[in-house]
Amino acid sequence: GENVEQHPSTLSVQEGDSAVIKCTYSDSASNYFPWYKQELGKGPQLIIDIRSNVGEKKDQRIAVTLNKTAKHFSLHITETQPEDSAVYFCAAPYSYTGKLIFGQGTTLQVKP
Amino acid sequence: SAVISQKPSRDICQRGTSLTIQCQVDSQVTMMFWYRQQPGQSLTLIATANQGSEATYESGFVIDKFPISRPNLTFSTLTVSNMSPEDSSIYLCSVVQGGGMNTEAFFGQGTRLTVV
Repeated sequence: GENVEQHPSTLSVQEGDSAVIKCTYSDSASNYFPWYKQELGKGPQLIIDIRSNVGEKKDQRIAVTLNKTAKHFSLHITETQPEDSAVYFCAAPYSYTGKLIFGQGTTLQVKP
Repeated sequence: SAVISQKPSRDICQRGTSLTIQCQVDSQVTMMFWYRQQPGQSLTLIATANQGSEATYESGFVIDKFPISRPNLTFSTLTVSNMSPEDSSIYLCSVVQGGGMNTEAFFGQGTRLTVV
């Protein structure tokens, strides 16, 4: 089955700096890699995802990269702002089932 | 993207009682799932809610404790039965749209359950 490891567990950056969160996965058949942001008291919100047929995807200040050979993918947030402070989760599916296995989560703190 | 409504958003329950959580989606979806998020932890899949048939449970979760209904393609319920303080968690409904390279997974806002 799929196993997802996420690092670091906590990350503190100054406003304006970049933040990078990394995940590794085990199932080479996985083809969909979403990232979720969870604010206190709320459910996870999908912020970006990448499919296995591309190596990078950008959406304004957020980007995700995928290395299929090494089986890892990363979330990059540039020009961080205090409102980026939240818990971020990566996930990968059990092959084609739609079920997601989540990483352990990264608590990002952006200091003004 | 699918809009998912979960009710209740939070509840405080007495041990030994049961709570039923509802999940309503604004469009028909094939795949619906229930997850649990224990305090300070990541999300763990409880089961797949299958329309018109019994749910498929993950290891460590059983139907007697977490009965699930899925009467149609837009609605599902999860019941947390005979609750104990260890059941205090956020319970989340999720739907998956598309498939293959078009897959997208979305979550409701969750139900924050406290058992006292």
